[in-house]
Amino acid sequence: DGGITQSPKYLFRKEGQNVTLSCEQNLNHDAMYWYRQDPGQGLRLIYYSQIVNDFQKGDIAEGYSVSREKKESFPLTVTSAQKNPTAFYLCASSMRYSNQPQHFGDGTRLSIL
Amino acid sequence: AQKITQTQPGMFVQEKEAVTLDCTYDTSDQSYGLFWYKQPSSGEMIFLIYQGSYDEQNATEGRYSLNFQKARKSANLVISASQLGDSAMYFCAMRPYNTDKLIFGTGTRLQVFP
Repeated sequence: DGGITQSPKYLFRKEGQNVTLSCEQNLNHDAMYWYRQDPGQGLRLIYYSQIVNDFQKGDIAEGYSVSREKKESFPLTVTSAQKNPTAFYLCASSMRYSNQPQHFGDGTRLSIL
Repeated sequence: AQKITQTQPGMFVQEKEAVTLDCTYDTSDQSYGLFWYKQPSSGEMIFLIYQGSYDEQNATEGRYSLNFQKARKSANLVISASQLGDSAMYFCAMRPYNTDKLIFGTGTRLQVFP
């Protein structure tokens, strides 16, 4: 089945530690996205990538980094510079310039130890 | 600034009744897309329905329909014959012109009771 796989489902970070969230898709989509969701809030865009080896900052990129070395993969690193990383992180993908919707993974819940 | 507003933090509806979830948007673009997603307590985002700004007919998908009023910049979701499984968060989102990004509202929590 085609879809988006995020791992792990739950992640705990110690102070001063970088952690990486995985996102893999087999939908052959060019565009991929990372969102952050805080309790009772909507989704805010962290980073997005429209093509391999290229990505752009979203609305809340500070303290995060990404890479896009393969079309299928768009990992997100939450760095120690992100002082409030506790949130639900959602990865999505879509075709470009299309009225087709973004498809989402099941999310990763990140907490601070 | 482009923005989505969902003014209903929470809504209650009795099973088998219809419910309308409000969404207004702010954009100066002539071409844009509007989406509704459902987020159950498990967290995944489920696409429900899409409306393009140039679509003359209101979109429908099964029990979901979109009441699109372009002049008022509103795109309300109507769920007919509510079911207990419809209890979830519902998000309205807009894709501005010439971008793949989505702008999300803050969501409405719908609770369906027997």
